[in-house]
Amino acid sequence: DAGITQSPRHKVTETGTPVTLRCHQTENHRYMYWYRQDPGHGLRLIHYSYGVKDTDKGEVSDGYSVSRSKTEDFLLTLESATSSQTSVYFCAISDRTANTEAFFGQGTRLTVV
Amino acid sequence: AQRVTQPEKLLSVFKGAPVELKCNYSYSGSPELFWYVQYSRQRLQLLLRHISRESIKGFTADLNKGETSFHLKKPFAQEEDSAMYYCALRGLGGSNYKLTFGKGTLLTVNP
Repeated sequence: DAGITQSPRHKVTETGTPVTLRCHQTENHRYMYWYRQDPGHGLRLIHYSYGVKDTDKGEVSDGYSVSRSKTEDFLLTLESATSSQTSVYFCAISDRTANTEAFFGQGTRLTVV
Repeated sequence: AQRVTQPEKLLSVFKGAPVELKCNYSYSGSPELFWYVQYSRQRLQLLLRHISRESIKGFTADLNKGETSFHLKKPFAQEEDSAMYYCALRGLGGSNYKLTFGKGTLLTVNP
């Protein structure tokens, strides 16, 4: 398995509190992605990074921010969690080589109550 | 803009029957296309990529640029094929290495 870990694996938080999810890789891959997975919506891209301090928005970025201060870590922050952000969050990493696959973390199940 | 459409949310077949999972894409250029599979809420894993034209676990997928499709096929489904299947597209060029997924198709293979 590719060296990618997400923490925490499970979290329950209250509405209005800030939450940070961490994605850590040991593969030195350039690209990192954050997705949320919801029934009926599949995987939706929140933000992605194409290098240290280089990030861009995905299709569902509202309410989320990211940071990448070093190659191995990509942080996803919910500034003020809402119940609509209850979901399973997946991180993925990918190298720049053409047609290379993306490797996924095991996911973080976040519940906002 | 890049978009991936999987028209079927659910697909149910009997063991031994052929199966086809549809995928259509929208992208102004030559994208990279993939099929990923997710078993029982595990992490996603790569099944196929269009460039390699390989057969994995009996599955194949052909890129049809004219129809902008990348359908996944298997001639004889097995019970262990039951899973969620996602079609994915990656745009190319500079920061546009966005990896976009369809909504997925849940395949159930009945005994």
